[in-house]
Amino acid sequence: AQSVTQLDSHVSVSEGTPVLLRCNYSSSYSPSLFWYVQHPNKGLQLLLKYTSAATLVKGINGFEAEFKKSETSFHLTKPSAHMSDAAEYFCVVTPVQGAQKLVFGQGTRLTINP
Amino acid sequence: GAVVSQHPSWVICKSGTSVKIECRSLDFQATTMFWYRQFPKQSLMLMATSNEGSKATYEQGVEKDKFLINHASLTLSTLTVTSAHPEDSSFYICSAKPGQGTDTQYFGPGTRLTVL
Repeated sequence: AQSVTQLDSHVSVSEGTPVLLRCNYSSSYSPSLFWYVQHPNKGLQLLLKYTSAATLVKGINGFEAEFKKSETSFHLTKPSAHMSDAAEYFCVVTPVQGAQKLVFGQGTRLTINP
Repeated sequence: GAVVSQHPSWVICKSGTSVKIECRSLDFQATTMFWYRQFPKQSLMLMATSNEGSKATYEQGVEKDKFLINHASLTLSTLTVTSAHPEDSSFYICSAKPGQGTDTQYFGPGTRLTVL
């Protein structure tokens, strides 16, 4: 079975410092991996997507993620946090590329301290 | 591009009434749409997969007679919560896939349902 584990339920950083949100996945096949962001009372916005073209994926708003097959990880990073980055972040996997359903992690709440 | 809208954004209704939520893909055709439910401070739970012109596929434990889904066109899917009760209060989010060749889903802004 495919699953996603977000290792931290809550991450707090100071504005201007780096952000690291950790995600590990399990999949028997070649998955697609996504990071979505959800601001309070809003829907989900796609930050970035890994398919297999490149292991380092650049997304919107300065975020990027690196796919490491040996570690089954897909951690999300940003060099310098901004107050507007405060939100809930979801790591998501499809069991097989092109599959219908998404498998969601439990989410990581990112807090930015001034 | 790839914008999905939902209407209404929030709704309050009395127990026993029915509520319809619309999900529209504004700038693409979506052969497949999905309905999720999200409880406070929790992740999304897939309720059903909706394919245009056919019956929806419901996840285990989701009552299809209570959560009626219609996907009548390539840009519109509706979720009707029938005979709503307070325990149906939740945040409902839809998503849409722009065609068969992608697994990326684009999400609507969500609908907050409160049943009194």
